[in-house]
Amino acid sequence: DAGVIQSPRHEVTEMGQEVTLRCKPISGHNSLFWYRQTMMRGLELLIYFNNNVPIDDSGMPEDRFSAKMPNASFSTLKIQPSEPRDSAVYFCASRANPLTNTEAFFGQGTRLTVV
Amino acid sequence: GENVEQHPSTLSVQEGDSAVIKCTYSDSASNYFPWYKQELGKGPQLIIDIRSNVGEKKDQRIAVTLNKTAKHFSLHITETQPEDSAVYFCAARPPNQGGKLIFGQGTELSVKP
Repeated sequence: DAGVIQSPRHEVTEMGQEVTLRCKPISGHNSLFWYRQTMMRGLELLIYFNNNVPIDDSGMPEDRFSAKMPNASFSTLKIQPSEPRDSAVYFCASRANPLTNTEAFFGQGTRLTVV
Repeated sequence: GENVEQHPSTLSVQEGDSAVIKCTYSDSASNYFPWYKQELGKGPQLIIDIRSNVGEKKDQRIAVTLNKTAKHFSLHITETQPEDSAVYFCAARPPNQGGKLIFGQGTELSVKP
């Protein structure tokens, strides 16, 4: 199994531009999570999906952030317009079954730099 | 909501010594406590976890203990090696929230040869 796959690994963009981060969860996993990691705030949950349905987006910082999961094998996190304070590493994680205590597997992350 | 505090933020030990990282949580209903290791440029990887019905779990050189009454859990690494150097995160999973994890702030462990 290839694990959770995120793309791109690195993204540098100018302030005001739209940024789209992509995630392919592990096949068969029913839950998908988007986390943001910064030095100041550590690992923060932004949003999670169960069976492609957004369950809790209370961690999404602003309306500039949006996430979709059109099918079980793909999710996107979009920032429009991007700002320098959005610079962080964004991780996607997936988990097999939302009803059991199974571990969450993380992708390698996307390092976003907004200049 | 759940809040997880982790200490220390940095830890430096000599190769062969033991390392202990401690976490406390606030929601007594949380029932799952994983520990993740994050190496530079990589995503967090699960190294060990413990469920609320267990007090201790061991896997080779690493062990985790859980004190539900005091709401704290600890990671113990024995016979540390330079390759153990990384950032370690504890987390707690509150119930009925779809499996979301609340992470501690992380501990940067440095093992000196």
